[in-house]
Amino acid sequence: NAGVTQTPKFRVLKTGQSMTLLCAQDMNHEYMYWYRQDPGMGLRLIHYSVGEGTTAKGEVPDGYNVSRLKKQNFLLGLESAAPSQTSVYFCASRYRGVLTFGSGTRLTVV
Amino acid sequence: SQQGEEDPQALSIQEGENATMNCSYKTSINNLQWYRQNSGRGLVHLILIRSNEREKHSGRLRVTLDTSKKSSSLLITASRAADTASYFCATDTFGNEKLTFGTGTRLTIIP
Repeated sequence: NAGVTQTPKFRVLKTGQSMTLLCAQDMNHEYMYWYRQDPGMGLRLIHYSVGEGTTAKGEVPDGYNVSRLKKQNFLLGLESAAPSQTSVYFCASRYRGVLTFGSGTRLTVV
Repeated sequence: SQQGEEDPQALSIQEGENATMNCSYKTSINNLQWYRQNSGRGLVHLILIRSNEREKHSGRLRVTLDTSKKSSSLLITASRAADTASYFCATDTFGNEKLTFGTGTRLTIIP
């Protein structure tokens, strides 16, 4: 089925560890986004991309890096995880203004 | 900062009743959208309304937009238990690729 796939679905990290979250879409969408969702705060934009090879900062980019080497993939990296990065991370792709979301990655940093 | 703020934060109604939730935003927009999120899942798009539209319908959903008041409302008619979810409004502005979400309304339908 066409859609947005996020891996992994769950992860526990120790403070200072690094990891990469992978987002893949098979709908040939140009735009892709990474959001984080915390209780009571809705979704906040971390980084986004308007096409292969491009990235831009969102509302809360600090502590994260991204790459869009291939159109179908958008990677979110945490170089040195902190407890404040405990959250649920959602990736989405966008077409004609509408976002299609993945099912999320629940990350806990201890 | 959040562009949209939903009101109320939480809403409980009996099955079969209508549910209304509101969204206010701060700056001029291009489009406003509503999304639904079931517990532990990703968001699902419900409806998009453009800044030059005032009302839009999709099945049991009715969305209104008042650009003079910078507000929108989502009406769900004849609610069902399956409508239990969180609902978010999202806005984008002209020439801006970002889509900004509100904090959401948690809707509970009581059977």
